[in-house]
Amino acid sequence: KAGVTQTPRYLIKTRGQQVTLSCSPISGHRSVSWYQQTPGQGLQFLFEYFSETQRNKGNFPGRFSGRQFSNSRSEMNVSTLELGDSALYLCASSLAGLSNQPQHFGDGTRLSIL
Amino acid sequence: AQTVTQSQPEMSVQEAETVTLSCTYDTSESDYYLFWYKQPPSRQMILVIRQEAYKQQNATENRFSVNFQKAAKSFSLKISDSQLGDAAMYFCAYRSARETSGSRLTFGEGTQLTVNP
Repeated sequence: KAGVTQTPRYLIKTRGQQVTLSCSPISGHRSVSWYQQTPGQGLQFLFEYFSETQRNKGNFPGRFSGRQFSNSRSEMNVSTLELGDSALYLCASSLAGLSNQPQHFGDGTRLSIL
Repeated sequence: AQTVTQSQPEMSVQEAETVTLSCTYDTSESDYYLFWYKQPPSRQMILVIRQEAYKQQNATENRFSVNFQKAAKSFSLKISDSQLGDAAMYFCAYRSARETSGSRLTFGEGTQLTVNP
């Protein structure tokens, strides 16, 4: 069974641009969560999608958005990129996002802002 | 809001020895889950062990075990017979059992574990 797949692995952008990251969950998983990992702030929850609806949202500005498609694949978008957006973005999937279900993480997308 | 604190930024252990990583958390909830994740240089977060707050018995997974002290809000990870492959960043994480919280995990700052041969 394939794991959680995140694309691309690496991305370099400049300030002011926008970026879209993709996450394909494990087959059959319907919940997808996104996290930002930086040396200064650690791992922070961005948002969670379940059945194409945002179910939970962290404390990030509106420049960070996401969506989920009918096949459960998810994308997150960051507009008007800032230097501080440089981070590892991790996605995790679970069957239905219930609290007793384990989450499986992808390898992340490393985003660098120049 | 829940918080998770790992007070040891770095730890080291000799191969085959035992090491304990500390974690404390703060919550007003009575039902929740606690996790230890491992993140090697490959970046993927790997679940090491999990503990349900309603269970008094400490979880164990092979060489990994936890010491869960609910009243003290403490959740430490013990790694026995340490192996070189255990070297990684270890994160303690909290997850509410409330369905409205969904899959949201709150992570600690992490502890970088070095295993010396």
